[in-house]
Amino acid sequence: GAGVSQTPSNKVTEKGKYVELRCDPISGHTALYWYRQSLGQGPEFLIYFQGTGAADDSGLPNDRFFAVRPEGSVSTLKIQRTERGDSAVYLCASSSDLSMANEQFFGPGTRLTVL
Amino acid sequence: KQEVTQIPAALSVPEGENLVLNCSFTDSAIYNLQWFRQDPGKGLTSLLLIQSSQREQTSGRLNASLDKSSGRSTLYIAASQPGDSATYLCAVDSGAGSYQLTFGKGTKLSVIP
Repeated sequence: GAGVSQTPSNKVTEKGKYVELRCDPISGHTALYWYRQSLGQGPEFLIYFQGTGAADDSGLPNDRFFAVRPEGSVSTLKIQRTERGDSAVYLCASSSDLSMANEQFFGPGTRLTVL
Repeated sequence: KQEVTQIPAALSVPEGENLVLNCSFTDSAIYNLQWFRQDPGKGLTSLLLIQSSQREQTSGRLNASLDKSSGRSTLYIAASQPGDSATYLCAVDSGAGSYQLTFGKGTKLSVIP
């Protein structure tokens, strides 16, 4: 596609439930990033992939969060046993290379609300 | 740990005015700096990227400068328009094997017709 796409755009769930958020990067981009943005804050890094592997997952807040990118394209962020504090906008970005340019392009985000 | 600060948090200007948004970062060892625009309820739109070896980048009415040694960047918007109203975010890529961006909280700009 022309840009990064994310589904769903909105997700409402109940505390304790499991959710999956999907990201489809720009075609050909090898690097993919997940960020989380709380109200009034800048995005915070969660994890990034180079190809199929998670090159840096230091931003994942705890072991309830997990992400995969099995074929090096689409990625899924998985959250187990959701908590109200997980409510935020989850943003995905991709970039074409890991040179010094490394311009990141963002999707529209998924707004997650945990009741 | 890299920290990014944006001042002011909010800015309101009349249409046609030139304006400057400020960004500072604590660790000068960066790979690049990116400016983004975010409209309410939307994702981020990349405006300009400045690599660490560069001093400035220009796109239309936008000009971004980088002074890496002092840990500062500015985004200059010329002849502001109501359509420029949005939140502007600054982010730095500190490299070192991790290409994560560290963001400021943004400056919310309102351009009054």
